Amino acid sequence: DIQMTQSPSSLSASVGDRVTITCRASQGISNSLAWYQQKPGKAPKLLVYAASRLESGVPSRFSGSGSGTDYTLIISSLQPEDFATYYCQQYYSTPLTFGGGTKVETK
Amino acid sequence: EVQLVESGGGLVQPGGSLRLSCAASGFTFRNYWMSWVRQAPGKGLEGVANIKQDGSEKYYVDSVEGRYTISRDNAKNSFYLQMNSLRAEDTAVYYCARLRTNYGDWYFDLWGRGTLVTVSS
Repeated sequence: DIQMTQSPSSLSASVGDRVTITCRASQGISNSLAWYQQKPGKAPKLLVYAASRLESGVPSRFSGSGSGTDYTLIISSLQPEDFATYYCQQYYSTPLTFGGGTKVETK
Repeated sequence: EVQLVESGGGLVQPGGSLRLSCAASGFTFRNYWMSWVRQAPGKGLEGVANIKQDGSEKYYVDSVEGRYTISRDNAKNSFYLQMNSLRAEDTAVYYCARLRTNYGDWYFDLWGRGTLVTVSS
């Protein structure tokens, strides 16, 4: 199974900050990576797929990049509604696996 | 409205069984792979089982292989998760989700709100 390691596990930030979340795969996954946002008590929401493609309706302040084993989700200017937990997921091979999550909290 | 709605969660004793259902609406259900994803309390996400459009292919995570069975009824726009021999570590919110599988993709583009399964005596 491909292991996905996210860092940091949590971070504190303020509205307007640039936030960077990293996801590392245990082997190369050829950009087969998605990012999700989850708010407390809610289902995850797809943000990015194919490492860098923004899902329809997702604000442009979100962006994804990376290649090989290392991928990044960037929020260019954090908004109040962005405080949440973010997960990466690889789909290079089954079983589909998720990272452990990064909780973005208010500083 | 495009949505997925789970039902069937609840409290069950260790060793017991439970059947989850997911009703789909607002899209052509028979065209999609579908999946169950779970989240233990305070923990991350884990893919549990996937089923192909016609039910001919099914995949399970190792921890549930032989205990869980995923199935679907395209005539009812629904799919299911039969969970047997339940253990305390199966306690989680179970989400049903739609898989987008175009061009080799395998990510979840639509999620239900989840149903809580608690395994406890």
